[in-house]
Amino acid sequence: GAVVSQHPSWVICKSGTSVKIECRSLDFQATTMFWYRQFPKQSLMLMATSNEGSKATYEQGVEKDKFLINHASLTLSTLTVTSAHPEDSSFYICSVVPGSSNEKLFFGSGTQLSVL
Amino acid sequence: GENVEQHPSTLSVQEGDSAVIKCTYSDSASNYFPWYKQELGKRPQLIIDIRSNVGEKKDQRIAVTLNKTAKHFSLHITETQPEDSAVYFCAASRAAGNKLTFGGGTRVLVKP
Repeated sequence: GAVVSQHPSWVICKSGTSVKIECRSLDFQATTMFWYRQFPKQSLMLMATSNEGSKATYEQGVEKDKFLINHASLTLSTLTVTSAHPEDSSFYICSVVPGSSNEKLFFGSGTQLSVL
Repeated sequence: GENVEQHPSTLSVQEGDSAVIKCTYSDSASNYFPWYKQELGKRPQLIIDIRSNVGEKKDQRIAVTLNKTAKHFSLHITETQPEDSAVYFCAASRAAGNKLTFGGGTRVLVKP
């Protein structure tokens, strides 16, 4: 299957700092990437759809100015959590569409963010 | 938007028994229904999926059924083994490469 790399796998930061998470597709080009958030013992909730070369589409209730998404190339999308607070502590995971819209999604390895 | 409900939230079975997880969805335009297995701290792993033009699909011990009229689909695991213990999520989308809406998850424990 397709290889999706996500970095870092875990990060601990102080409240008020910003954290950048990278999602890379290693063996294919991806015009679309999705960002999900998963709180402990809960389901995956879609945060935004990242489109290469255009602005991301955010789901209702997700602050676009707090969760900055940049999809500057066909192999890389980044999610920056700005001014992180303890309530932002969560598992963030990207998923990628390898090719046409009828292809199955592949998930990155996830990033566990802990904000102190 | 789409809403996916999943039941039960926890399921404990004896090794060798079968496990069944059920999901319902609200968007009649949904056409793709994958099931994922997730272990603690890991990414979800696709275990089986079904598209709306098929009513049932089987892969060894795992099977999925879909009733599009009733808007529900189910995962069946037969001859459960301890390594089947994990959290299972159903999901729905309009196409395989579209954004997924996940169910709430089912924590499955297979007791030896």
